[in-house]
Amino acid sequence: QKEVEQNSGPLSVPEGAIASLNCTYSDRGSQSFFWYRQYSGKSPELIMFIYSNGDKEDGRFTAQLNKASQYVSLLIRDSQPSDSATYLCAVIPGNQFYFGTGTSLTVIP
Amino acid sequence: EAQVTQNPRYLITVTGKKLTVTCSQNMNHEYMSWYRQDPGLGLRQIYYSMNVEVTDKGDVPEGYKVSRKEKRNFPLILESPSPNQTSLYFCASRPGLAGVETQYFGPGTRLLVL
Repeated sequence: QKEVEQNSGPLSVPEGAIASLNCTYSDRGSQSFFWYRQYSGKSPELIMFIYSNGDKEDGRFTAQLNKASQYVSLLIRDSQPSDSATYLCAVIPGNQFYFGTGTSLTVIP
Repeated sequence: EAQVTQNPRYLITVTGKKLTVTCSQNMNHEYMSWYRQDPGLGLRQIYYSMNVEVTDKGDVPEGYKVSRKEKRNFPLILESPSPNQTSLYFCASRPGLAGVETQYFGPGTRLLVL
């Protein structure tokens, strides 16, 4: 069983819309949750992290965590073409990162 | 500028020819790790090091070796590369076990083993 599951997409949204990316994880002991953005051919860059149940907002990005459902999501408001990338969900059950396979997002102008 | 550097960035080699991919960070980070990224499999950790002379296996260590003789460097060694090690490799560093939200990735090394 994979530690972290994501829908690979591709997900397409029009410019200005809300993009919703979802992730589930298997280890109930996971305490730290991350969203990375990866442009094609580039290295991952951290955009959000969340540790507690609920929502965490940073600019156009909102991370949502529900530990009971083992579910973490990322909302991108007012999506821009520059948001087109692959988004990786990651969790840390111990001291090691486990990444999902990523969801490819395309924002259509 | 805080950064993680990797060399080479691109490498084509043949089966069985030993190679080393270097990784260096200038942030005095204690924790360094190597990942490989493959389509449909995501990023998987190969090895990690929590400090000098302390290394441990990640999820996919077979066929790889590492060493950590200096804090800033963490080379990845493929003693006898095989085609299934064709992949995109990333080195990463972070301050320590607790600094998970400040993990920096290197630019990646694309390896093709023929």
